[in-house]
Amino acid sequence: GDSVTQMEGPVTLSEEAFLTINCTYTATGYPSLFWYVQYPGEGLQLLLKATKADDKGSNKGFEATYRKETTSFHLEKGSVQVSDSAVYFCALSNFNTNAGKSTFGDGTTLTVKP
Amino acid sequence: GAGVSQSPSNKVTEKGKDVELRCDPISGHTALYWYRQSLGQGLEFLIYFQGNSAPDKSGLPSDRFSAERTGGSVSTLTIQRTQQEDSAVYLCASSEGTVANYGYTFGSGTRLTVV
Repeated sequence: GDSVTQMEGPVTLSEEAFLTINCTYTATGYPSLFWYVQYPGEGLQLLLKATKADDKGSNKGFEATYRKETTSFHLEKGSVQVSDSAVYFCALSNFNTNAGKSTFGDGTTLTVKP
Repeated sequence: GAGVSQSPSNKVTEKGKDVELRCDPISGHTALYWYRQSLGQGLEFLIYFQGNSAPDKSGLPSDRFSAERTGGSVSTLTIQRTQQEDSAVYLCASSEGTVANYGYTFGSGTRLTVV
């Protein structure tokens, strides 16, 4: 079945540091890939997505590129802020096998210190 | 509405009692999903509605769990005879189309504590 593996946390960075959170997946066919962010005390929010290979999703300074050859969708940001402290979830949705649901990674907690 | 609304935001119940959790999706979103997030865990799929039908209820943990959706809008997740292992945050999400194309819009969740 489909699966998503995320870099284990927690990750602690200083403000303005470069961020990478690794995500790799296993799936048949051509899934769509997502990053969701969960700020403290809130539900998940869609951060960015890519629906086909080589697509780059971007939002709020975050980027991730859908790499089919390495089955990866790593999240990057060039300069993190304290307000980026949150839990980040990588997810995939595979219309051909699971039209109605997504498979999520376990989440990576990011703490940014001033 | 402007977003996905869930109620109550917090619920403390005694073991053995029944609880109902409500989700009001974004107007016009035909697909609705329930997930469960346990402390320190990822998201566990429970059930998916397309309109009022549930094509996939494979994630419901036991027959104590049931869900319905009426009028293609509001959904209720019911847990009967609650157990301590049911304690979790229950998240509802909706999607304006195929989730593979649009992703989810989540509500803020209902934190259920069974004592």
